[in-house]
Amino acid sequence: GAGVSQSPRYKVAKRGQDVALRCDPISGHVSLFWYQQALGQGPEFLTYFQNEAQLDKSGLPSDRFFAERPEGSVSTLKIQRTQQEDSAVYLCASSLRDRQETQYFGPGTRLLVL
Amino acid sequence: GENVEQHPSTLSVQEGDSAVIKCTYSDSASNYFPWYKQELGKGSQLIIDIRSNVGEKKDQRIAVTLNKTAKHFSLHITETQPEDSAVYFCAASMNGGYQKVTFGTGTKLQVIP
Repeated sequence: GAGVSQSPRYKVAKRGQDVALRCDPISGHVSLFWYQQALGQGPEFLTYFQNEAQLDKSGLPSDRFFAERPEGSVSTLKIQRTQQEDSAVYLCASSLRDRQETQYFGPGTRLLVL
Repeated sequence: GENVEQHPSTLSVQEGDSAVIKCTYSDSASNYFPWYKQELGKGSQLIIDIRSNVGEKKDQRIAVTLNKTAKHFSLHITETQPEDSAVYFCAASMNGGYQKVTFGTGTKLQVIP
């Protein structure tokens, strides 16, 4: 598989639980992005990594959201003390270089917080 | 920041007809405009993109036009087929540094056989 993969594909959490969402970007891709897509809306930017450096986290909605990419490849988006409004599809995308426009998206993780 | 508006939100066409989806953007500094096709369970796939130094780009049945002055761009799908049914998102981003993409709200296209 040469594409971006994400796991789990579906996650149901009880309000207050912590969740961790994983993204495996295309091998060798420098840039990695996380997006949040609410039902019926377009994806909204959360955060951006260049290799292991998190260069922009301006889109993270609260301090309950945390993302990391410690070795510059796999990334994890963690949501602490989940709330119902966190229910959404979380998309990961990667691109080859920091100035290459084309982003390749994964299938997303659908999170439902009850 | 950038704001992208997309219309219509839903679109139904008969197989073989054309479909047009329109988007406007607010930031004149945006210079890259990709279109994504999102199918359930398959993620988002880049189908075509255009840069601000080009007015039109075509790839088989898909074409995109850009009017920089008016700050709007459109996706045209000709000879639609049932497999074109999906949600389509337009987006805009700015060159220089990483590509922070701003998406439209999506158009659900249904091609009726």
